[in-house]
Amino acid sequence: DAMVIQNPRYQVTQFGKPVTLSCSQTLNHNVMYWYQQKSSQAPKLLFHYYDKDFNNEADTPDNFQSRRPNTSFCFLDIRSPGLGDAAMYLCATSRQAGGQETQYFGPGTRLLVL
Amino acid sequence: GESVGLHLPTLSVQEGDNSIINCAYSNSASDYFIWYKQESGKGPQFIIDIRSNMDKRQGQRVTVLLNKTVKHLSLQIAATQPGDSAVYFCAENLNTGNQFYFGTGTSLTVIP
Repeated sequence: DAMVIQNPRYQVTQFGKPVTLSCSQTLNHNVMYWYQQKSSQAPKLLFHYYDKDFNNEADTPDNFQSRRPNTSFCFLDIRSPGLGDAAMYLCATSRQAGGQETQYFGPGTRLLVL
Repeated sequence: GESVGLHLPTLSVQEGDNSIINCAYSNSASDYFIWYKQESGKGPQFIIDIRSNMDKRQGQRVTVLLNKTVKHLSLQIAATQPGDSAVYFCAENLNTGNQFYFGTGTSLTVIP
């Protein structure tokens, strides 16, 4: 029944070592989002894909990249993780774009940077 | 970014009482709002939504009220249960974009 799946649930990486987080969805939704959520803070949108079109938030660091090879999968790549990148990373989907579309979240991947 | 704020960062209620969580938003053009519940270590879970052409919507034990005049949103939980303990976020969306702007969250603790 899982609709938005994130793997792994916990990821440990070393300072500066590239890491990839994955998200998959069984909803066949057109839009996929990546959020960063730090402790006791609200989720912050990093970027989203509408189909194959990539939309980056203006304040998302270049260190964060994303790939969406097909409708079902979306990856978050952190090229050189810093200590400040330790956070929960949330993937979400919505059926369409343009507003008034509910976003459905995955369980998140908690990233620890050593 | 847009500003979506919450009046109270923490709220404690007795089991069985009703809870009210408030949210203020700043953009009068926002036309869709969602309340999410987030338990520790989990992703946000959709609770209820409301569109700007409505002022009230009810779900199972939850009611959302929207006051566009003062740009205020509230979530009411009836007969609060220990399982309702979580952080609650309101999120607003402009019809022109995909972005949801989240408030800072209210931590609800239910006292047995």
